[in-house]
Amino acid sequence: DIQMTQSPSSLSASVGDRVTITCRASQSINNYLNWYQQKPGKAPKLLIYAASTLQSGVPSRFSGSGSGTAYTLSISSLQPDDFATYYCQQSYNTPLAFGQGTKVEFK
Amino acid sequence: QVQLVQSGAEVKKPGASVRVSCKVSGYSLSDVSMHWVRQAPGKGLEWMGGFDLDDAETVYAREFQGRVTMTEDTSTNTAYMELRSLRSEDTAVYFCASAVEFSSYLDVWGQGTTVTVSS
Repeated sequence: DIQMTQSPSSLSASVGDRVTITCRASQSINNYLNWYQQKPGKAPKLLIYAASTLQSGVPSRFSGSGSGTAYTLSISSLQPDDFATYYCQQSYNTPLAFGQGTKVEFK
Repeated sequence: QVQLVQSGAEVKKPGASVRVSCKVSGYSLSDVSMHWVRQAPGKGLEWMGGFDLDDAETVYAREFQGRVTMTEDTSTNTAYMELRSLRSEDTAVYFCASAVEFSSYLDVWGQGTTVTVSS
């Protein structure tokens, strides 16, 4: 099974900060990497798919990059609505594993 | 409007079974790959299984094989997830989520169904 490891597990940031979250797969996943945002009590929301494609309606301050086993989610200028938990997920093969999550908190 | 609406919260005793439904509106269930994901309190997301459109079969995560069944009723456009032999560790929010194909992103999610297992 492919293991997904996110770092950091949590981070504190201020409005306007640039934030970067890293996701590493235990083997190459050929850009089958998706990012989700989840707020407390809500379902996850798709942000980015295929490593770097922005889902319709998602603000352009979100971006994704990477290849092979290493991927990043960046938020160029953190907004109040962005304080949430972020998950990466590989859809290369089964099981379709998620990372453990990165909680972005207010500094 | 594309939407997944799940059934309400459930409270079950250990050893019992639970069935969660996921009503699809805005598109046909037969045109998507439906997946189920759960989240224990304070924990991350855990993929349980999904329907592979290409092979026309459901693929289950190893952890749940033999204890879970995912089905679809295309006449009512509703997907179901049944989990048997419940234990306290199955207490979680269960989500249905759809993808355009099996090995793809989950772009539409249900609101979640809380299942509590307690004696």
